[in-house]
Amino acid sequence: EAGVVQSPRYKIIEKKQPVAFWCNPISGHNTLYWYRQNLGQGPELLIRYENEEAVDDSQLPKDRFSAERLKGVDSTLKIQPAELGDSAVYLCASSPWGRTGTNTDTQYFGPGTRLTVL
Amino acid sequence: SQQGEEDPQALSIQEGENATMNCSYKTSINNLQWYRQNSGRGLVHLILIRSNEREKHSGRLRVTLDTSKKSSSLLITASRAADTASYFCATSPGGTYKYIFGTGTRLKVLA
Repeated sequence: EAGVVQSPRYKIIEKKQPVAFWCNPISGHNTLYWYRQNLGQGPELLIRYENEEAVDDSQLPKDRFSAERLKGVDSTLKIQPAELGDSAVYLCASSPWGRTGTNTDTQYFGPGTRLTVL
Repeated sequence: SQQGEEDPQALSIQEGENATMNCSYKTSINNLQWYRQNSGRGLVHLILIRSNEREKHSGRLRVTLDTSKKSSSLLITASRAADTASYFCATSPGGTYKYIFGTGTRLKVLA
C-alpha cells in the first residue's frame, strides 16, 4: 500500500513569492490534515478535512494561506505571499474515517515539504 | 499552542539500555498517541492509549497513562541504534477531534 505522497520535498523561494504544496493521501482515507512543523518543535495543525469539507481551519492564517481538497482526495496548500517566518516543514497526514464519531484514528504522515523563504 | 510537553528534551543512551521519556499535558483527553520521527522524515505512529487505560505494550514499547497527573510515559527497552529519532506525544483533548503534539524528545542511541 502506498503511503501519503507529498511534493515537492524541498522548496526555496524569495519572500513575497507564492508557493504551493501538494498531497495525495492513502487511498480510502477520508480525513486529511495539513501541519506546519517549525525546527525543534512538534507539528501544529493548520487545517483538517473530512472528505472535501474543511472541518477545522481555525489555525490557518487565512490572510495568506489557502487550502483545497477537490473531490475529497488530493489536497493543495498555498501560501501567497510567503514571509520569512513561513520557513518550516509542511506535513500532510491522512486517517481513515472515524466510525465511532470520536477521533481515535492513527494518522499516517507524508515525508513533508521543507520550505525555505529567503 | 502546544498542549503536551515531553521531558527530557534530549536523551543520549548506550545501545541495550532502556529509554524513558515523559509527556505532560494540560486538559482532559480522549486518548494519547506516541509518534516517532526520524531526521528529515514524516512521523510514524507507535501506540495509542485511551483515557480509560493505564498501560499498554507493543513489542519493546511500554506506555503508561496517569490521567490524575495528566502525564504519560514511553519506555523503550533494549534500545537499538535504529531507535535514534525524535519522539512526540499527541493528545486529543476531550470534546474535540484534533490532536495536539508536544515539543518532542530527541533520543540518540549510541552503538
